[in-house]
Amino acid sequence: GENVEQHPSTLSVQEGDSAVIKCTYSDSASNYFPWYKQELGKRPQLIIDIRSNVGEKKDQRIAVTLNKTAKHFSLHITETQPEDSAVYFCAALGYSSASKIIFGSGTRLSIRP
Amino acid sequence: DGGITQSPKYLFRKEGQNVTLSCEQNLNHDAMYWYRQDPGQGLRLIYYSQIVNDFQKGDIAEGYSVSREKKESFPLTVTSAQKNPTAFYLCASRDGGSGANVLTFGAGSRLTVL
Repeated sequence: GENVEQHPSTLSVQEGDSAVIKCTYSDSASNYFPWYKQELGKRPQLIIDIRSNVGEKKDQRIAVTLNKTAKHFSLHITETQPEDSAVYFCAALGYSSASKIIFGSGTRLSIRP
Repeated sequence: DGGITQSPKYLFRKEGQNVTLSCEQNLNHDAMYWYRQDPGQGLRLIYYSQIVNDFQKGDIAEGYSVSREKKESFPLTVTSAQKNPTAFYLCASRDGGSGANVLTFGAGSRLTVL
């Protein structure tokens, strides 16, 4: 079945530095890869997404890259700020299962002042 | 709340009791989902529904049941057969069109078994 692996599980970076979170997926037919940010006690919120026909997408300090051949995609946050501290989840839409969406296990990002 | 309303926000249950969590959306989305989140862990799929009167088991469906009698509603029942039901439950919905994959979450329901 479909599987999404996410690394690292925790990440601590100095404020102003960059953070990178990586995910791999198993279903080669997956065609949509969103990233969600979840602050403590709140619902996950979509921060950026990428489709399989695109290799990279940027939105201000956030970027996502996709390597379809290797079946992995990454979230890049530059110039990190205290408000970036949260748990980040990647996900892959398994085309073979239509609507089934599988999430990675999450990365807890902490920004050190 | 983004068009998806979950209730109650907090719920306490005694062992052996069934409890139903409500999820209502006014986004006219076709697909709806239930996820379970344990402290410090990821989102695990319980059930999902692509259209009315149809639903499929996710990865951890044992001890749970759902119904999809209306497009707007996808209630989740946590039965007494669920061995460890204390968790944060998230409902989500998505437009089923091929170009619209964004998943929108409700605010969640926190269930505690006493």
